[in-house]
Amino acid sequence: AQTVTQSQPEMSVQEAETVTLSCTYDTSENNYYLFWYKQPPSRQMILVIRQEAYKQQNATENRFSVNFQKAAKSFSLKISDSQLGDTAMYFCALSGGTSYGKLTFGQGTILTVHP
Amino acid sequence: EAQVTQNPRYLITVTGKKLTVTCSQNMNHEYMSWYRQDPGLGLRQIYYSMNVEVTDKGDVPEGYKVSRKEKRNFPLILESPSPNQTSLYFCASSRWAQGNTGELFFGEGSRLTVL
Repeated sequence: AQTVTQSQPEMSVQEAETVTLSCTYDTSENNYYLFWYKQPPSRQMILVIRQEAYKQQNATENRFSVNFQKAAKSFSLKISDSQLGDTAMYFCALSGGTSYGKLTFGQGTILTVHP
Repeated sequence: EAQVTQNPRYLITVTGKKLTVTCSQNMNHEYMSWYRQDPGLGLRQIYYSMNVEVTDKGDVPEGYKVSRKEKRNFPLILESPSPNQTSLYFCASSRWAQGNTGELFFGEGSRLTVL
C-alpha cells in the first residue's frame, strides 16, 4: 500500500515571501510519479507541478519548485514570491507502481497568503 | 472547451434512496476516476477505470458502484446511500500513456448530503 502524509494542516505567509509545504510518502515501487495539486476556494483542482521519480532533477514551474529527496521519500513544494492568488488548499499526491491507476492524496495543507 | 462535467453539483437526499452522480469528459481520455474529499482526510479514491469496461477499486469503494460503458462517461452509483457518504465528490480524467496517468482534469465537484 502507498501512503502520503502532509503534516502541516495550515500554513501562512506574507505576500512576496517564500513558503515551503512538506510532503512525505511511502511506496515500495521504484517507478512512480508525484504531484502537487492546488484547490482554491472555488474547489477546482489544479495541477501545480509533477515529478517523475526516475528523474533526479527537481521539477520547476515558474514560482513553484519541488525538493524531491527520493531516499528520504520526501517531496516538498516551494512557492517563491507568494501572491494572494496562491491562497488555497494544497494536496500532495502519488501514483505508480504495479497499479498506476491508483492515486493517493495527502490530507492537504491550507495555505493563506497575507497582504 | 476541454472539460469534465459532473451532475448534480449539489444534492440533498435521504438514507436508502438510490442516486447516480454523472461524469462526462470530452477529451477522449482513457482514464477516469472518482474521489471523495472529507475534512482532514484529503481526497480518497473510490473507483477508477483505465478504459471502457475496465474498472477497479480504489481505497474506499464500499457502498459505491461504477460502470464504464462508454469512453466519455463514468457514473458513480450509490445504491443505498447512508449519512457517512455525505461528502464532496470529484470525478477526474486523464490520458493513459505508457502506464502512467498524466495530468488529472477534475470536474467541479458534487456536494452530496445524505440525511
